Amino acid sequence: ETGVTQTPRHLVMGMTNKKSLKCEQHLGHNAMYWYKQSAKKPLELMFVYSLEERVENNSVPSRFSPECPNSSHLFLHLHTLQPEDSALYLCASSQGLTGADEQFFGPGTRLTVL
Amino acid sequence: LAKTTQPISMDSYEGQEVNITCSHNNIATNDYITWYQQFPSQGPRFIIQGYKTKVTNEVASLFIPADRKSSTLSLPRVSLSDTAVYYCLVGEDQTGANNLFFGTGTRLTVIP
Repeated sequence: ETGVTQTPRHLVMGMTNKKSLKCEQHLGHNAMYWYKQSAKKPLELMFVYSLEERVENNSVPSRFSPECPNSSHLFLHLHTLQPEDSALYLCASSQGLTGADEQFFGPGTRLTVL
Repeated sequence: LAKTTQPISMDSYEGQEVNITCSHNNIATNDYITWYQQFPSQGPRFIIQGYKTKVTNEVASLFIPADRKSSTLSLPRVSLSDTAVYYCLVGEDQTGANNLFFGTGTRLTVIP
């Protein structure tokens, strides 16, 4: 148990559906992240939030829309996804944004887009 | 951005010491070196972090030479449960051009 929870753990959706992934951290951290991990590929950083402000958006398509209502919660809203978006979506948090700050990862949401 | 290079895969027998080396030739003065472990269908887990020389914790040791252009993660007496992907990260700042880059990692397989 890392102190970072994600729901749902598994999600199957059609290309026209709208769904949301939820992440919650119980560590009092100031920074939260979304990563995407496709099969046999490295982790791809998608978004970074610090104190509820988005500080990084790594050229992610607009069909992925993040939301950080407070420092403990992070959402990823999904709309009109493509089959190639099927992947493991990981949320992480850290105290700060320096390279010395350990990232704590959640268990991930396994997303399948049909 | 200090990218890293690691072997794609390694095999080891149970009980042996495993050393995984990571090259980071462009490491900057303020960069830290961090290693993570990832099991299938789980998020990565922090193992160890260092800046220079040697760092040891209950799980592993990290050796960093004086020029800091490489680092070696040492796992003593591995067991089957150490089978995982190990990532070496180098970075100072987790935003913008300096954000941490996980790379492909090293897939360690421990053999009975």
